[in-house]
Amino acid sequence: SQQGEEDPQALSIQEGENATMNCSYKTSINNLQWYRQNSGRGLVHLILIRSNEREKHSGRLRVTLDTSKKSSSLLITASRAADTASYFCAILPQAGGGNKLTFGTGTQLKVEL
Amino acid sequence: DTEVTQTPKHLVMGMTNKKSLKCEQHMGHRAMYWYKQKAKKPPELMFVYSYEKLSINESVPSRFSPECPNSSLLNLHLHALQPEDSALYLCASSQVIQSNQPQHFGDGTRLSIL
Repeated sequence: SQQGEEDPQALSIQEGENATMNCSYKTSINNLQWYRQNSGRGLVHLILIRSNEREKHSGRLRVTLDTSKKSSSLLITASRAADTASYFCAILPQAGGGNKLTFGTGTQLKVEL
Repeated sequence: DTEVTQTPKHLVMGMTNKKSLKCEQHMGHRAMYWYKQKAKKPPELMFVYSYEKLSINESVPSRFSPECPNSSLLNLHLHALQPEDSALYLCASSQVIQSNQPQHFGDGTRLSIL
């Protein structure tokens, strides 16, 4: 399966702490993307990192990519209650056509006050 | 507010009913997608349209019939569904089918089959 595996499955932290989520995959990728999904809502794109990139930042988000280990991590710094959501990595494999994203299993993040 | 609008937000139907899900975007995107998402699971791709033509069908049962009347609209026609088809159905769009384009999602239609 090309599906990414994420860990942890669930993460509970206090507001102000950092949250780290990891994604591992099995195939060679073109890029890897991270999405957030609030309960009962659609997915929101956070960051796209290409296979030749190692790190990207966007506000309080930092994504790293290690293609040799076929893994990526998403770090949310100074977390807020509003960051409570499910986070999915999504991979676009090198092989195959089109924009056919395959989503990972997801991490449920809960940020408590 | 999302830029991809899906209607209805909720739908309850019997197994013999015919209904349609609708999706609309006005971002000028030329690629549109249907996903199915079960509770606490990741979205699973069903169909991809590129320039109003069906590009990918992920071996979806024929009781699901997609339609792309124009570049802004995407429909999913439903007929004779099964209880296991109950799920959140998400529509997404991207500028074109290219590898470096993020997808924009609607909030979905929550479908319940009685």
